[in-house]
Amino acid sequence: KNEVEQSPQNLTAQEGEFITINCSYSVGISALHWLQQHPGGGIVSLFMLSSGKKKHGRLIATINIQEKHSSLHITASHPRDSAVYTCAVREPYNTNAGKSTFGDGTTLTVKP
Amino acid sequence: NAGVTQTPKFQVLKTGQSMTLQCAQDMNHEYMSWYRQDPGMGLRLIHYSVGAGITDQGEVPNGYNVSRSTTEDFPLRLLSAAPSQTSVYFCASAWRDEQFFGPGTRLTVL
Repeated sequence: KNEVEQSPQNLTAQEGEFITINCSYSVGISALHWLQQHPGGGIVSLFMLSSGKKKHGRLIATINIQEKHSSLHITASHPRDSAVYTCAVREPYNTNAGKSTFGDGTTLTVKP
Repeated sequence: NAGVTQTPKFQVLKTGQSMTLQCAQDMNHEYMSWYRQDPGMGLRLIHYSVGAGITDQGEVPNGYNVSRSTTEDFPLRLLSAAPSQTSVYFCASAWRDEQFFGPGTRLTVL
């Protein structure tokens, strides 16, 4: 069993739809990252969370530390949101030298 | 700041050749790491370093060596390239819980 599980693996949506990507993890963490990668592109960190909720434009990320679960929401989705979204958990320095473990990613396609 | 830089962007090798992927950061970050990304799989940790002179193995270290003689540089060496090492390689640096990725190196081993 992976330490970081994402769902769904693939997601196709129509422009304007509300999108949710989920991430569950099994290790203790100091932070959780949501990453975005467009086809052929580099990796961009969208959010870093250690508690609660963060919002940036149409993107919202939440984390529940007790349940070891995080969600990434996209409101009013747009074709330019089409990308691979990856959840990554960062372990504390005092337990595992701050290593990051990545989910397998969710490939999002937003159709016009 | 240039952030995290990687060279080359693309590389084609023949089986058995050796080469070094370069990674540098100008943010004075102690933590640096190398990942490979294969189709349909998440990023997998190859090697990491928590500071100059200190390196350790990640999830998939076989066939790769690293060194960290300075805070800025963290090169990844392929000793004898194999087709299984065809992948996209990302270098990253981190400070506290912020992580920054390089643009990646696409490596093909024939």
